Amino acid sequence: GESVGLHLPTLSVQEGDNSIINCAYSNSASDYFIWYKQESGKGPQFIIDIRSNMDKRQGQRVTVLLNKTVKHLSLQIAATQPGDSAVYFCAERPFRYSTLTFGKGTMLLVSP
Amino acid sequence: DTGVSQNPRHKITKRGQNVTFRCDPISEHNRLYWYRQTLGQGPEFLTYFQNEAQLEKSRLLSDRFSAERPKGSFSTLEIQRTEQGDSAMYLCASIGSGANVLTFGAGSRLTVL
Repeated sequence: GESVGLHLPTLSVQEGDNSIINCAYSNSASDYFIWYKQESGKGPQFIIDIRSNMDKRQGQRVTVLLNKTVKHLSLQIAATQPGDSAVYFCAERPFRYSTLTFGKGTMLLVSP
Repeated sequence: DTGVSQNPRHKITKRGQNVTFRCDPISEHNRLYWYRQTLGQGPEFLTYFQNEAQLEKSRLLSDRFSAERPKGSFSTLEIQRTEQGDSAMYLCASIGSGANVLTFGAGSRLTVL
């Protein structure tokens, strides 16, 4: 289930389940969104991105959905594996060449 | 291409000391960014360079912080008179012209005692 921990919302799933991580963004004018995965002691690693003129984009085992009406972004991970355990951040870009603004992050814990 | 390299990976210092972090971006990337990340939070933008020009600085970048990219390749971030509140992970990222995806380094963790 999903819970709010001391620092990060945490999503705990079983190996093989599908995971959905949600993100609310702040700027309705943002034209670009991106998801990063961060493992302990490492820098953020790119997962998938989407432009504001799209509402869905698929990668390998991952799908990003964008709902501009409610300023909501989600990351779906199919057949979650223990190696997917990490903190996931969404980020938005208010306009081209502007800097990325990151959200707080969600910790995904995958049990074997 | 070895990715974005940051050194040192971990620095422990006493309050009041100066520290310097170095970032070597991906060689063909003309834009370089510094972010700060504290425990449980997302990265916060500090500053960025296009080639050697520092184009934007966050309000988070106090007078004690200075960043340089003298030849448009590697960059340094110096923190003078460190305070305990400076303890954080300092992340460097780079991106090529026309690209969208920032590539991050592993970060430099600063602990101020």
